[in-house]
Formats: sequence, structure tokens, C-alpha cells
Amino acid sequence: KAGVTQTPRYLIKTRGQQVTLSCSPISGHRSVSWYQQTPGQGLQFLFEYFSETQRNKGNFPGRFSGRQFSNSRSEMNVSTLELGDSALYLCASSFSIGQAMNTEAFFGQGTRLTVV
Amino acid sequence: DAKTTQPPSMDCAEGRAANLPCNHSTISGNEYVYWYRQIHSQGPQYIIHGLKNNETNEMASLIITEDRKSSTLILPHATLRDTAVYYCIVRVPGFSGNTPLVFGKGTRLSVIA
Repeated sequence: KAGVTQTPRYLIKTRGQQVTLSCSPISGHRSVSWYQQTPGQGLQFLFEYFSETQRNKGNFPGRFSGRQFSNSRSEMNVSTLELGDSALYLCASSFSIGQAMNTEAFFGQGTRLTVV
Repeated sequence: DAKTTQPPSMDCAEGRAANLPCNHSTISGNEYVYWYRQIHSQGPQYIIHGLKNNETNEMASLIITEDRKSSTLILPHATLRDTAVYYCIVRVPGFSGNTPLVFGKGTRLSVIA
């Protein structure tokens, strides 16, 4: 079956702009999580959505937001971009109804955002 | 913060077994041990997970000590394509959706021809 799809793969934005990234989870998966990866901070958890509700949130400013749609697709938005927002943004999906709770997460290839 | 300690780097000869250690001395009874790896510029890839029994799949084996304070990921016959950063993560699977994966710095495994 198809894996996790993230679009776009690459993006260049200017400081102060906003950006929206998209994630389509594996068919049947209900949980979508977002992570930011930078050379300095490594992989950091942004937020997690399950059944259209935000279930967990990491330690990021309010400029970072997300949502999940009824088909489990998710978007994340970053407003008022800063140079430090340049990163690889990764989406992971997991948990189909009926699966055990200890299921693994599957990651997409990420969106590489460069803020200039 | 990550609840695990891993060596920053390891080398392994191609064709030999790669044994990657992980210390998780503060693991609680309901936390699982997960292993992921990340090949350069790709998203992390799930490898294996376990609670207390040893586990094996087509990619690797996971050996968890009896006291659960440490574990070892074993790649039985390492190839050049196994060169990656390997992350050991402990987490409690959530009821309403999963709890997040907290990534540490991982172990950079270099498989050498």
C-alpha cells in the first residue's frame, strides 16, 4: 500500500511569510504526527492529531499550528517565518482502528523548508 | 528529554553483525523500546520494538535485558545500506492516539566495506 506522502518536497520562503505543508497518511491510519528536524536540535516533536483532534503538542511557539481532516490528511502551518524555521519537516502516521496500541509509526520523506 | 543513552557512533565491517546498545535505566513498566533508523536525508524508518521479550523480524533482532534497563539492536549481517543513524526510543503507547516519539541523538553506524 502507498506510504506516507508529504507535499511539497522542497520549499523556499521569505522571512515573514507563512507556509502550509501537507501530509497524507497511510490508508486507514488515524494518527498523524509532525516533527521538525534541524542539525542543531535534531528531531523534535511538534504535534499529533488523532481523529481530527490535537492530542499532543510539543514545545513550539504558537506560530506553528496544524489540523487534521476527516480523511486523516493533515496540514501544518507556520506563520511569520523566521530563518530558524529552516528545517526538514517530517510527518508520521500510525494506528489503524483494530491495531494494538503499541503500533509503530511510518514516516514520510519530509518537506525541506528553507527560509531566506 | 530523551530517556535513552546511546553511543554517538560505531563502525561495523560489512557482512558482520552490528550490535547497537541502548541504555534506558529509568524505563517504566508500561514503556516499550522502539528502534528507528534514518538514512541520510530520508524520513526515519521503523525497525523493531518490544516490551520485555526478545524480538526478531526480517530486519533485526532486539535483545532486552531481564531488568529492562538496557537493550541491544542486532543487525545480523550488516551491509553498506545499513549505514544510518539509529535511534532507540522508549515510550508508552497512548490510548487515544500514540504518544510522541522522543528522539535523542542516536548512534551513527558506519558500515565499512
